[in-house]
Amino acid sequence: GIQVEQSPPDLILQEGANSTLRCNFSDSVNNLQWFHQNPWGQLINLFYIPSGTKQNGRLSATTVATERYSLLYISSSQTTDSGVYFCAVELGGETSGSRLTFGEGTQLTVNP
Amino acid sequence: DAGITQSPRHKVTETGTPVTLRCHQTENHRYMYWYRQDPGHGLRLIHYSYGVKDTDKGEVSDGYSVSRSKTEDFLLTLESATSSQTSVYFCAISTGPRNIQYFGAGTRLSVL
Repeated sequence: GIQVEQSPPDLILQEGANSTLRCNFSDSVNNLQWFHQNPWGQLINLFYIPSGTKQNGRLSATTVATERYSLLYISSSQTTDSGVYFCAVELGGETSGSRLTFGEGTQLTVNP
Repeated sequence: DAGITQSPRHKVTETGTPVTLRCHQTENHRYMYWYRQDPGHGLRLIHYSYGVKDTDKGEVSDGYSVSRSKTEDFLLTLESATSSQTSVYFCAISTGPRNIQYFGAGTRLSVL
């Protein structure tokens, strides 16, 4: 099956710093989503981004499908950004729902 | 939260007993999913459903069965729980042509 690798596994920042999280995947994908799991365990969908660039407030994401990676940028980080960030992908050609394969996540801690 | 309710939220059971987890949605979504989350593994797909009585296996389906007798409910059953099934279980739905996934709050299951 498809392999999804996220880096770094852990990241500690001071409030106000910027960061870049990376997701590499091993095959062509037709679906890529970024999720944030907050410290209480809730999973929130951040972006659907199989290619191109999107921005939502202080967060933005870029996927370069031909090179099989995606980046999540967090600017001016806040303590509420803490948690685990997951990248999830679906193989190209899948047509039944979205059978996502998740990476192991990046654990982000933002200190005040 | 896409109208997803998981029950129970917490359960402690003994090895060998049957366990059923329920996922209920209120917005008539066609696709529903069950994942488990374990340290070091991210989220892994157990089973998914693409309609009433239409289900398929995911990456880690051994020891689990599912049923979907009506659109709004997707049940996950552990026929004979084992300690290796101690985990946090998440239900998800996907919406629209992009199959963007949204998650329930999770069920923490401990098998003693």
